[in-house]
Amino acid sequence: NAGVMQNPRHLVRRRGQEARLRCSPMKGHSHVYWYRQLPEEGLKFMVYLQKENIIDESGMPKERFSAEFPKEGPSILRIQQVVRGDSAAYFCASSLAFRRQGAGEQYFGPGTRLTVT
Amino acid sequence: TQLLEQSPQFLSIQEGENLTVYCNSSSVFSSLQWYRQEPGEGPVLLVTVVTGGEVKKLKRLTFQFGDARKDSSLHITAAQPGDTGLYLCAGEDLGSGNTGKLIFGQGTTLQVKP
Repeated sequence: NAGVMQNPRHLVRRRGQEARLRCSPMKGHSHVYWYRQLPEEGLKFMVYLQKENIIDESGMPKERFSAEFPKEGPSILRIQQVVRGDSAAYFCASSLAFRRQGAGEQYFGPGTRLTVT
Repeated sequence: TQLLEQSPQFLSIQEGENLTVYCNSSSVFSSLQWYRQEPGEGPVLLVTVVTGGEVKKLKRLTFQFGDARKDSSLHITAAQPGDTGLYLCAGEDLGSGNTGKLIFGQGTTLQVKP
């Protein structure tokens, strides 16, 4: 059973370009979470999605960032007009469900390391 | 706002030594998870503790959830170089409207020297 997949693993963008990060959840998982890990900081929640719905985007910057999880295909985190401060590791996690013991656990992908030059 | 504080932040020990990492909060959590993260990789779930006072063992790792469900500890017996990594505790943000999003501690970086 394949785990959470993310690609690309490393992404280099110049200031002002767009970055697209993709996440394929574990088979059977319909809940996707995106987290950001800045250098020397812990993991911070960004957005929570279910198929075709954004459930909670309270951790996502209001501008330049967007996320989607279409009916078919991976979840996408999109950053427009990137700035140096966007350089970080972006992790996707998926879960089967939550509020049921053992089913709400989140499993993380290997991350995408974004470098903005 | 719920916060999780881990201590110590850094720990460097010799192979064979024992160690304990702490995860503390002033808030109650319905459950806490422990993850280990290696450089360049994502966090890997080690365990979930749910019941106050619960103790779970994973080989040489022992996890405990405080009686009041506000804190947790991870104890490693006879540490090995393969235990080297970043250890993270995480709990569900109960102020999030039941979305399941996690709050993470800042992590404990463990280095085990051979």
